Order: sequence, then structure tokens, then C-alpha cells
Amino acid sequence: DADVTQTPRNRITKTGKRIMLECSQTKGHDRMYWYRQDPGLGLRLIYYSFDVKDINKGEISDGYSVSRQAQAKFSLSLESAIPNQTALYFCATSDPRRGYTFGSGTRLTVV
Amino acid sequence: GQQLNQSPQSMFIQEGEDVSMNCTSSSIFNTWLWYKQDPGEGPVLLIALYKAGELTSNGRLTAQFGITRKDSFLNISASIPSDVGIYFCAGQLGGGTSYGKLTFGQGTILTVHP
Repeated sequence: DADVTQTPRNRITKTGKRIMLECSQTKGHDRMYWYRQDPGLGLRLIYYSFDVKDINKGEISDGYSVSRQAQAKFSLSLESAIPNQTALYFCATSDPRRGYTFGSGTRLTVV
Repeated sequence: GQQLNQSPQSMFIQEGEDVSMNCTSSSIFNTWLWYKQDPGEGPVLLIALYKAGELTSNGRLTAQFGITRKDSFLNISASIPSDVGIYFCAGQLGGGTSYGKLTFGQGTILTVHP
């Protein structure tokens, strides 16, 4: 099994719909992140959490919310999806010794 | 916020050629990282650099942490077809670690022709 698992891998949704992307990890790391990847822009940080009770906005948090349900679970929600949220979304975990581990990504299309 | 400018945006090379890409920043980072992303996968760490001036190798890959702490480069020698992918630089403000918030460059898309 993958260390960082994202579900779903692909999703097509309509404008205005609420959607949740889920991330779970088996690495036991405290720190978890959500990044968004767009062509030509690299990865940009949406939200991050350094432990279960800690949630912080990244550089592009508008239109998104997160929930850290447990050390192993960090979900990203789009309350009312819009087409410019079409992107590849990555969850990641990190620890001081081994740095980052990324999930395989969720490709989201908003039509 | 911090911005990283990565160049070139894309490269088309012949197998066996050497490759060089770099990142520059408007502000100082204490850690520089280089990642590779294969299609359908998340980025995977190639090299981590923790000290200004540091030169580190990982097989055919060599990366350097610029002395000003505002730039880094990655070289790939004798490229092979499996080097194809997107390469990202990333900077982190936290010193001596690679596990805090990262700022990514825009990526370099590498294509290697056999």
C-alpha cells in the first residue's frame, strides 16, 4: 500500500458543487499539506497542518477548506467548485528525518 | 510571498547529452530541494541542499546551493530516456531541515530522445 493515499484519483464535477478530496497516510507523520499543481506554475500551497489541532492557510487558500480528522487523515474541500479550480491536487506529509512524501495526486476537473 | 523562477521551462535533448537547469529567488532560502515528477505520480525528492555553497551528487545528478542562498542549479549528466519528467526546485526557509513549508519553482519539462 502507498504511504500517502489520495482519493479519488480523478474526478469531474459541475460548477457550484461541493467536493471533498481525501488523504490518508501510514507514515505516522505529524505534518500534512495540500498543494495544487497547474501547468507552468509549479505546486502552490493551499493549506497545511503541523498536528491534529493546527490548521494554517497557505498562499492560495481562498475557495478551499480543510479538516484534519486524525493524525493520519487530512481532507480538502471545495465548498462551491468553479472552473479555475480545475487542477492536479497533491497531498503530502513530512518529517524531520525524511522530508516530504507526496501522494499520487487527484486530477479534478470542474465543468 | 517568495517566488522561485525556474528555467528553462522545457528541454528537448538527445540521449547521452548533459542537462542543466536552475532556480533563482527574490529572497533567501535556507534549504534547497530538487524533485522529479513522473507522469501520474507525485514529486519524488532527488537532492536536498542545506548549506550555502554546498555541492551534492546523487548518481548522475549534481546540485549546488548558491552562495547567496538565492539560487540553485541541477545538472544531469549522460541523460537516458528514463530521465524524462518534470523537475522542480523548491526552497524552504527553515534551516537544516527539509520538512517545513515549501515554495516551488514552475518546473522544467525534460524530454529525452533516444
